[in-house]
Amino acid sequence: EVQLQESGPGLVKPSQSLSLTCSVTGYSITSNYWGWIRKFPGNKMEWMGYISYSGSTSYNPSLKSRISITRDTSKNQFFLQLNSVTTEDTATYYCARTMHFDYWGQGVMVTVSS
Amino acid sequence: DIQMTQSPSSLPASLGDRVTITCRASQDIGNYLRWFQQKPGKSPRLMIYGATNLAAGVPSRFSGSRSGSDYSLTISSLESEDMADYYCLQSKESPLTFGGGTKLELK
Repeated sequence: EVQLQESGPGLVKPSQSLSLTCSVTGYSITSNYWGWIRKFPGNKMEWMGYISYSGSTSYNPSLKSRISITRDTSKNQFFLQLNSVTTEDTATYYCARTMHFDYWGQGVMVTVSS
Repeated sequence: DIQMTQSPSSLPASLGDRVTITCRASQDIGNYLRWFQQKPGKSPRLMIYGATNLAAGVPSRFSGSRSGSDYSLTISSLESEDMADYYCLQSKESPLTFGGGTKLELK
């Protein structure tokens, strides 16, 4: 069974970087597409981007140059880095298999606050 | 960006009711439309893909349809376990965009 699990700090200070890990079991990340989605307080959802089976990436332009999605195929993990965070980046962050959006992690709540 | 306008934002309903949630796309998205169910504290669950196809394990009381740029999720007979938030997602064009969500609650 495909399982995804997010991990990372729940509190980040403004202007710092948010870094999350998604650990995947039951399926190789060298197949398919793997991405990040976030849900803000108030329930708006935003697609952030993905990394493909080949390592290519696509990002939401709204995040401009702040976002980076990378991977470690030896550990079957992929990562989110979001730079220069503000309080507006406070959200629950989900990783998912984003070719089909059929498998999701349980989500990790990240608060940006000093 | 393609805007997905979802309505209603809140839908009070009774058990056994037939309910419909709609997303309108601001541009052509073909059938690149998914529906998700999300319960409190849980991750989104894929319900419908390709606008009309039921995802694995989803009860047959759920269905998806399309009329032009309007996409609908219908529950034929509401059950208590269906109380949740529902979202649409277009994947025709990057950036992928979600509808604003519908909170389905008991009347």
